[in-house]
Amino acid sequence: QKEVEQNSGPLSVPEGAIASLNCTYSDRGSQSFFWYRQYSGKSPELIMSIYSNGDKEDGRFTAQLNKASQYVSLLIRDSQPSDSATYLCAVNMGAGGTSYGKLTFGQGTILTVHP
Amino acid sequence: DTGVSQNPRHKITKRGQNVTFRCDPISEHNRLYWYRQTLGQGPEFLTYFQNEAQLEKSRLLSDRFSAERPKGSFSTLEIQRTEQGDSAMYLCASSPPKVWRAFFGQGTRLTVV
Repeated sequence: QKEVEQNSGPLSVPEGAIASLNCTYSDRGSQSFFWYRQYSGKSPELIMSIYSNGDKEDGRFTAQLNKASQYVSLLIRDSQPSDSATYLCAVNMGAGGTSYGKLTFGQGTILTVHP
Repeated sequence: DTGVSQNPRHKITKRGQNVTFRCDPISEHNRLYWYRQTLGQGPEFLTYFQNEAQLEKSRLLSDRFSAERPKGSFSTLEIQRTEQGDSAMYLCASSPPKVWRAFFGQGTRLTVV
């Protein structure tokens, strides 16, 4: 089992729809969870962070965390063609200060938003 | 520009040659990370510095790889005797002292021919 798993997609949604991206992780001690967006040939860009159970909203983005199920998701409302990219789920595994903020990434989900 | 800066952006080298990459983190960030990303995969952790101390190295970092961060400022990653399997994007990230939020540089794309 991979430490962080994502459906690689591609996920295709029409413009204006809600895109739903999912991620599961293996380490129950994980404390911090991040979503990065990566355009082709570019570096990852942090778009959301979440640390406690529940929902966190920022503009059109909502991150959801369920530690009991070891599941984190990202919802993108009113999807735009400019949202087309690879979305990487990243987890800071390990409790306390032992992991130094090292991130374990999933393989990424390719999202395509078509007009 | 106050972001993480990496140089060079692209490097093509012949198998067996040595290469060195540089990363300049955001100025107030004391944590610095190197990751490697191959096509279709997420970034994989290579090594971590807190100030000038290298505190963790992945087993992905073979003895051909070495990283330094003298004086806790910029960092270099050297690959000796490059192999075709080293072809990848090498990403540097930095994070501020009290909040784990990694900001990535634009990366150095290495092609070994």
